[in-house]
Amino acid sequence: EAQVTQNPRYLITVTGKKLTVTCSQNMNHEYMSWYRQDPGLGLRQIYYSMNVEVTDKGDVPEGYKVSRKEKRNFPLILESPSPNQTSLYFCASSLDGTLYGYTFGSGTRLTVV
Amino acid sequence: DQQVKQNSPSLSVQEGRISILNCDYTNSMFDYFLWYKKYPAEGPTFLISISSIKDKNEDGRFTVFLNKSAKHLSLHIVPSQPGDSAVYFCAASDGNNDMRFGAGTRLTVKP
Repeated sequence: EAQVTQNPRYLITVTGKKLTVTCSQNMNHEYMSWYRQDPGLGLRQIYYSMNVEVTDKGDVPEGYKVSRKEKRNFPLILESPSPNQTSLYFCASSLDGTLYGYTFGSGTRLTVV
Repeated sequence: DQQVKQNSPSLSVQEGRISILNCDYTNSMFDYFLWYKKYPAEGPTFLISISSIKDKNEDGRFTVFLNKSAKHLSLHIVPSQPGDSAVYFCAASDGNNDMRFGAGTRLTVKP
């Protein structure tokens, strides 16, 4: 089954404790992105990648890091999480980033206390 | 700076009637426009798209209209069904993977 898998689904952590949210896709897509969803703000792009070793900042990259060492994986790293990073996070992949749209993962709900 | 705006947070329609969801954008560099549907506890699902060279695209009960001069697009669902109840996101891209989303509109279709 074609899918984007992100883990964990739920995470509660403390301020300053480094964490990684993993993301993997099995569709051989070149394009991958991370989004966060907050009430009233919709989905905001954090980082995106158009290919292996190619990443770029989205709208809200501060406090996040990503890497794209393999085509299928695109982990999101929070080096020092803060409470304002409490949010619902989605990883997504796309064939071309345009008319074919993104396939999204099921989301990771992160709470930073 | 929200470049894609959905000004109606919610919409309620009767089953069998037409649902019209609206979206406005500010960036004239956007070339591709998409609609996604989202159910609770799931990721958004791609629904339909349109490029800037067209003004209409239809897929079954779903039709997207694009008015470039007004920087406005809309999604029509005819006839609406209770299973269409979800949050709908409008999105736009300039073709460089920089896809911007609106805040979403919650559609409720009443039986």
